[in-house]
Amino acid sequence: NAGVTQTPKFQVLKTGQSMTLQCAQDMNHNSMYWYRQDPGMGLRLIYYSASEGTTDKGEVPNGYNVSRLNKREFSLRLESAAPSQTSVYFCASRRTSGGVETQYFGPGTRLLVL
Amino acid sequence: AQKITQTQPGMFVQEKEAVTLDCTYDTSDPSYGLFWYKQPSSGEMIFLIYQGSYDQQNATEGRYSLNFQKARKSANLVISASQLGDSAMYFCAMRVFNQAGTALIFGKGTTLSVSS
Repeated sequence: NAGVTQTPKFQVLKTGQSMTLQCAQDMNHNSMYWYRQDPGMGLRLIYYSASEGTTDKGEVPNGYNVSRLNKREFSLRLESAAPSQTSVYFCASRRTSGGVETQYFGPGTRLLVL
Repeated sequence: AQKITQTQPGMFVQEKEAVTLDCTYDTSDPSYGLFWYKQPSSGEMIFLIYQGSYDQQNATEGRYSLNFQKARKSANLVISASQLGDSAMYFCAMRVFNQAGTALIFGKGTTLSVSS
């Protein structure tokens, strides 16, 4: 049981390049999330997926697209990277059990856009 | 507006002492959840404790307890008997329901430093 996995762990892009951040969870959770964390800040929600095939915008969706092709995987795409997208990106999935909710986070992807 | 406020940028404590990390929240929803996460220097987000808005008792998980004062809209984290390994950034978060469904909004965090 690996929990939430993310690839890659680190990435350097040039302005205008595109890339896809991959996320997968093996806990059979319906809900998955993408957050970004900027220096000295908490996490901010980029996109959300309540279930396979559905996605919704969060607080900071501009410049990103997402895809939830199946229950396990939720990818985040930067079509044309900008320096303002330099950040650490976290994927998460949500479990509700016995009235207690938990969001489990992946290890993060550190992205630098030059 | 839904918001989480952590007013302590940094806290310093000695080993074996107890420490309280402050968190206040703002929401008009009657149903919400409050979370604390630990982020060590390695960067991962580690779930510590959860408190539901309708829970009558304060949540506890080992050395962690959540001092939930609903009328004051505060959800402070208490760490008893601090250990060196507790040195990390701590985030308070709130589950909200919005157009995106259910998501977490986070405070800016408090850096805890534990010394021997």
